[in-house]
Amino acid sequence: GNSVTQMEGPVTLSEEAFLTINCTYTATGYPSLFWYVQYPGEGLQLLLKATKADDKGSNKGFEATYRKETTSFHLEKGSVQVSDSAVYFCALRRTGNQFYFGTGTSLTVIP
Amino acid sequence: DAEITQSPRHKITETGRQVTLACHQTWNHNNMFWYRQDLGHGLRLIHYSYGVQDTNKGEVSDGYSVSRSNTEDLPLTLESAASSQTSVYFCASSESSASLETQYFGPGTRLLVL
Repeated sequence: GNSVTQMEGPVTLSEEAFLTINCTYTATGYPSLFWYVQYPGEGLQLLLKATKADDKGSNKGFEATYRKETTSFHLEKGSVQVSDSAVYFCALRRTGNQFYFGTGTSLTVIP
Repeated sequence: DAEITQSPRHKITETGRQVTLACHQTWNHNNMFWYRQDLGHGLRLIHYSYGVQDTNKGEVSDGYSVSRSNTEDLPLTLESAASSQTSVYFCASSESSASLETQYFGPGTRLLVL
């Protein structure tokens, strides 16, 4: 079946630290992969996506590379800011329009 | 600007009551989805629709129903609310085209069943 596993949180970092949030997936064929971000009290917003192997999605300093050989889509940012504090969800989309979400990783960035 | 809205934003109800959560989108998207978000489970799909008069069950559909009478709205009904349905509910929509596959989410409805 289709599923997404992402690292357990919560994650607490100091401002300007390097961020990695691990995400691995299980799917048949070639899914599209996504990272969504949820700020407190809001709905999810698309952060970045990649639709095929070796694609790199990037946005707002965040990056993730679609690695088919390791079935991974790890989220990285070189220097986090307090405003990056949020919950991050990894997700995949297979055929049809259904998404499969991970459980979310809470990030807190302290000044 | 196009948007997706949910109402109410907060709801308290009692066990056994029928509750309807509204979702309205102005993107003119064919696809609409309802999720619930619970700690430790992430988002789980309740029901979804690929167009008017089309509805489908998701992973956790028991106790919930939806109807799609127009493109803009997909109301979610809890037939007889249970405490296990206390959760945050998110509506989402997406275009049908494979190249426009991003889901857009509403702000959520926080439901408490006493």
